Amino acid sequence: KAGVTQTPRYLIKTRGQQVTLSCSPISGHRSVSWYQQTPGQGLQFLFEYFSETQRNKGNFPGRFSGRQFSNSRSEMNVSTLELGDSALYLCASSLDSGGPQHFGDGTRLSIL
Amino acid sequence: GESVGLHLPTLSVQEGDNSIINCAYSNSASDYFIWYKQESGKGPQFIIDIRSNMDKRQGQRVTVLLNKTVKHLSLQIAATQPGDSAVYFCAEAAGGYQKVTFGTGTKLQVIP
Repeated sequence: KAGVTQTPRYLIKTRGQQVTLSCSPISGHRSVSWYQQTPGQGLQFLFEYFSETQRNKGNFPGRFSGRQFSNSRSEMNVSTLELGDSALYLCASSLDSGGPQHFGDGTRLSIL
Repeated sequence: GESVGLHLPTLSVQEGDNSIINCAYSNSASDYFIWYKQESGKGPQFIIDIRSNMDKRQGQRVTVLLNKTVKHLSLQIAATQPGDSAVYFCAEAAGGYQKVTFGTGTKLQVIP
């Protein structure tokens, strides 16, 4: 069974640009969560999607948004990029909200 | 300005010895407590979880202990191997698994 797949693995952007990251969950998993990981703040929860609806949201500004498609694939968008957005963005999927999350290897986003 | 990196506590263990990684949690209403292992360049990997109504759970070479009185969680790894070298995160989940909050992590170094 294929694991959680995140694309691209690495991305370099400049301040002010926007970016879209993609996540394909494990087959059959309907819940997808996004996290930001930085050396300064550790792993921080961004949002969770279940059946195409955002069900939970962390404490991030509105520049961070996401969506989920009918096949459970999810995308995350960050607009008006700032230097502080440089981080590893991780996606995790689970069967539903009642099971452990399985993570992809992340997208490393660098802002110049 | 530059963000200061989290100072990860480090545990150094001789190969073959047992390791104990500790974690303090904050939310007494959490439903699950989880341990993840993160190797360099990879996403966190689920190791084991424990429901809040249990105090001990065993897996293959790992045991998780939960002490709700003092809000303490520990992960014991038996016969530690070089492949166990990684950063270990504890996490707590509320609302089933809907909202997962991660701790800051402990770096485990296995000395051959």
